[in-house]
Amino acid sequence: GAVVSQHPSWVICKSGTSVKIECRSLDFQATTMFWYRQFPKQSLMLMATSNEGSKATYEQGVEKDKFLINHASLTLSTLTVTSAHPEDSSFYICSAPDSATNEKLFFGSGTQLSVL
Amino acid sequence: GENVEQHPSTLSVQEGDSAVIKCTYSDSASNYFPWYKQELGKRPQLIIDIRSNVGEKKDQRIAVTLNKTAKHFSLHITETQPEDSAVYFCAARDYKLSFGAGTTVTVRA
Repeated sequence: GAVVSQHPSWVICKSGTSVKIECRSLDFQATTMFWYRQFPKQSLMLMATSNEGSKATYEQGVEKDKFLINHASLTLSTLTVTSAHPEDSSFYICSAPDSATNEKLFFGSGTQLSVL
Repeated sequence: GENVEQHPSTLSVQEGDSAVIKCTYSDSASNYFPWYKQELGKRPQLIIDIRSNVGEKKDQRIAVTLNKTAKHFSLHITETQPEDSAVYFCAARDYKLSFGAGTTVTVRA
């Protein structure tokens, strides 16, 4: 099946710094990438949808100036958490839909962000 | 937008017994209903999915049923094994995928 590679798998940063998370589709082209956030023992909440060549679409309540999304190519989407604060500590995970059916999602391995 | 409710939040079963998780959705336009299994700190893994033109689907010990009229869908795991212990999420898609809150399943040996 298709593979989405996500890096880093975990990161610890100081409050006020920025962190970039990368997701790459390894053997298929991902024109769309979904970015989710998952707090401990909670569900996956969609933050934004990135589309190659256009601006990302953010869900209600998600600050687009804080969570910068760039879909630079058909195989790379990045999420940058700017001026991170402890409340941004969470598990961030990307996913791309199956290009044939646009239904099944292929998830990255996730990034555990801890902001001190 | 779509609202998916999932019950129960936790489920403990004896090894060999069956486990059933139920979900409801709000948007009648939703047409795709996947189920994911997630182990701690890992990515969700698709275990089975069903489309709105199908009422039931089975894959070995796992089955999913869909009642479009009632907007219900359920996951059934038979002959549970300790490795089935995980968090299970249902989801429904109208124009985007919305997830249920999750069910923590514990299979007691």
